[in-house]
Amino acid sequence: QKEVEQNSGPLSVPEGAIASLNCTYSDRGSQSFFWYRQYSGKSPELIMSIYSNGDKEDGRFTAQLNKASQYVSLLIRDSQPSDSATYLCAVRLAGNFNKFYFGSGTKLNVKP
Amino acid sequence: ETGVTQTPRHLVMGMTNKKSLKCEQHLGHNAMYWYKQSAKKPLELMFVYNFKEQTENNSVPSRFSPECPNSSHLFLHLHTLQPEDSALYLCASSQEETQYFGPGTRLLVL
Repeated sequence: QKEVEQNSGPLSVPEGAIASLNCTYSDRGSQSFFWYRQYSGKSPELIMSIYSNGDKEDGRFTAQLNKASQYVSLLIRDSQPSDSATYLCAVRLAGNFNKFYFGSGTKLNVKP
Repeated sequence: ETGVTQTPRHLVMGMTNKKSLKCEQHLGHNAMYWYKQSAKKPLELMFVYNFKEQTENNSVPSRFSPECPNSSHLFLHLHTLQPEDSALYLCASSQEETQYFGPGTRLLVL
């Protein structure tokens, strides 16, 4: 069974702090990894994608991938109240181009 | 907006009704998806179409019937739904690695 696990939270951080969101996956055949942000009542919005081990930075966001340990994380620096949302982790298996597996999401609250 | 539109945005229907959800993508993508999102549960993949051909049916009950007339349009036909089918139904499209979601249809079955 392909599983993507996330802590449901809520994760509360003060404004300006670093928020760290984690995701583990069960299938070693997972090849592509994605972070989506979903505001309440809205649809998921792609933030980051990462395909190889290491870090990938985009503005205040850094995605980290460790395939040996089967985890992917998202760091949000200088967290803002507008970052308060649910963050979904998704993976795609190699060879299954059109099938994505999602975690249930981590709710982040950034307190002013 | 992401270039994926869905109508209607909200729908209330009785268990004996028949209704259809519509999705349209303006991104030139070749794959389209239906997902169901219930509270506190992961996104559930329902159907995948690639170049108008259905490539995934994730054990979805027959009361949900998809239709993909071309690569830009996707429908989900609903009939004799149950209250537990109440959820947010999301359409997405993708080209290679990246999926883009529509705004969703919030469905309430009474």
